Amino acid sequence: DAGVIQSPRHEVTEMGQEVTLRCKPISGHDYLFWYRQTMMRGLELLIYFNNNVPIDDSGMPEDRFSAKMPNASFSTLKIQPSEPRDSAVYFCASSPGTGGSETQYFGPGTRLLVL
Amino acid sequence: KNEVEQSPQNLTAQEGEFITINCSYSVGISALHWLQQHPGGGIVSLFMLSSGKKKHGRLIATINIQEKHSSLHITASHPRDSAVYICAVPDLIQGAQKLVFGQGTRLTINP
Repeated sequence: DAGVIQSPRHEVTEMGQEVTLRCKPISGHDYLFWYRQTMMRGLELLIYFNNNVPIDDSGMPEDRFSAKMPNASFSTLKIQPSEPRDSAVYFCASSPGTGGSETQYFGPGTRLLVL
Repeated sequence: KNEVEQSPQNLTAQEGEFITINCSYSVGISALHWLQQHPGGGIVSLFMLSSGKKKHGRLIATINIQEKHSSLHITASHPRDSAVYICAVPDLIQGAQKLVFGQGTRLTINP
């Protein structure tokens, strides 16, 4: 298996622009997680899905952030409009079972810079 | 919310030394995760353990459920072990699927 795939790997955009991050989880994994990593706050969970259904989005910073999972093999995280404080590394991870008690497999991350 | 504390935050050692990284958490858990983040940024899951000890090569992870404490040991450390090591536990109050992460321990092994 190719592992969790994320695209793009790097994104540089200007404030106010829409940003879309993409993730393909490992086939057969029922859980998908979106994380954000910054120097100040470390790793934070933004949202997670179970069988394509969003379960908990309490970590999503504000209405500018939205996430979808239209099918079992694809998810997007969208920021509209983007702001400089959104600059971070965004990781997608998938897990075969409940994320707390099963190993999570991380993608390589998308490094986002908003100017 | 489960609170996770790691120590030390930074650790520099010479090649061959025995390394110990500690993790404490505030709320009883079903499993604890140790992750490794390479200098390039990728994150790899090293261990998930709910009791006792697990060993993988030169890495050993232990957990004491009663004391809410886990340690990650590296024997015969090597420069390629240089990375950030992150401890994570389920946030049982918010839902077992959510992981709460420690701030990480940055390990540097000098040749």
